[in-house]
Amino acid sequence: GDSVTQTEGLVTLTEGLPVMLNCTYQSTYSPFLFWYVQHLNEAPKLLLKSFTDNKRPEHQGFHATLHKSSSSFHLQKSSAQLSDSALYYCALSLAHAGAKLTFGGGTRLTVRP
Amino acid sequence: EAAVTQSPRSKVAVTGGKVTLSCHQTNNHDYMYWYRQDTGHGLRLIHYSYVADSTEKGDIPDGYKASRPSQENFSLILELASLSQTAVYFCASSGRQISAETLYFGSGTRLTVL
Repeated sequence: GDSVTQTEGLVTLTEGLPVMLNCTYQSTYSPFLFWYVQHLNEAPKLLLKSFTDNKRPEHQGFHATLHKSSSSFHLQKSSAQLSDSALYYCALSLAHAGAKLTFGGGTRLTVRP
Repeated sequence: EAAVTQSPRSKVAVTGGKVTLSCHQTNNHDYMYWYRQDTGHGLRLIHYSYVADSTEKGDIPDGYKASRPSQENFSLILELASLSQTAVYFCASSGRQISAETLYFGSGTRLTVL
């Protein structure tokens, strides 16, 4: 079946260093990919979603590129901020499955001063 | 902005008891979902619905029922609560069937089964 893998459960960085959170997927079809972010005691909310025309989505300094050849959609940011500390989920959806999302296990990012 | 509200915010239940979690959305969205959050497992889909009076099984439906009496309301029912159902539960809604649609989540319900 379709699945999403986030290899790092916990990532700890120093403020100002680059961020890269890994996301790979398995799917028989060409999925849409998403990143959701959940800050402490808040609801998950959409951070980024892939486009169908190979544009690179960006939001709040984060970006991600869908690489179909490697089935990856890694999340990146050039310089981590303290406010980036949160739980990040990668997710996919398929055209024939409506708006149903399949989530990865999540990566908790902690940014230290 | 889209609004999804869940009640209660937290609940303690006894093993074998019945638990009902409620969700209300004011977005006029067709799709509603119940997800369960566990450390290491991420968010897993329990049930979802795309129209009132109809529900669909998600990836982990065992031990749960769902009810969609109206477009705005979607409930999750645990008829016989078990220790393994201790988790945080999130309700979400989305507007259309198109796959790139954004999910809007509620603030979650923390359920503890003792």
